[in-house]
Amino acid sequence: GAVVSQHPSWVICKSGTSVKIECRSLDFQATTMFWYRQFPKQSLMLMATSNEGSKATYEQGVEKDKFLINHASLTLSTLTVTSAHPEDSSFYICSARDRVSPLHFGNGTRLTVT
Amino acid sequence: DAKTTQPPSMDCAEGRAANLPCNHSTISGNEYVYWYRQIHSQGPQYIIHGLKNNETNEMASLIITEDRKSSTLILPHATLRDTAVYYCIVRAGIQGAQKLVFGQGTRLTINP
Repeated sequence: GAVVSQHPSWVICKSGTSVKIECRSLDFQATTMFWYRQFPKQSLMLMATSNEGSKATYEQGVEKDKFLINHASLTLSTLTVTSAHPEDSSFYICSARDRVSPLHFGNGTRLTVT
Repeated sequence: DAKTTQPPSMDCAEGRAANLPCNHSTISGNEYVYWYRQIHSQGPQYIIHGLKNNETNEMASLIITEDRKSSTLILPHATLRDTAVYYCIVRAGIQGAQKLVFGQGTRLTINP
């Protein structure tokens, strides 16, 4: 149980365009999901906490207008990278949990901005 | 959340037990110890967690010292597929929506 699915697994986009990444909890309802970013050879950095039905909470230094998070249902959160630039190229990972289990993570989305 | 300290890297021979240490000397009474691992280019995988008693599951064993200031993750018979970065995280509570903050972890390499 507690499977988290991310889509797409990789995406290449041109500079200036926007990219949407989906995170789904497949077999449980998640009122809260978390979005992380990971640069090569570095650890995961928490970007924001996504709360179903309310605004996301962003970590210090993360631009909320650039990284739009929508958590419209108990099984889906989306992260949209707006006006992407090459420095936004990274590995984006979401996580979610139900009421009884620890956090489970998706398999990540590798974004490359050209 | 309490800070954790892990060695940056470790090596272990295939088939042997891999023992990964973690120091969390400022842990509070209500904080759990969690272990995750991340295989290259994948999302982190939950391994095990504990509060004060030793825990064992199908993946690993977690040994927590009596004063709870350190712990050891044990992979009893390491295989090449256990090569990954292992993260020790201390966080309050299991319920609720508390976030996990990752440190640098230990890069474990299993050698044939």
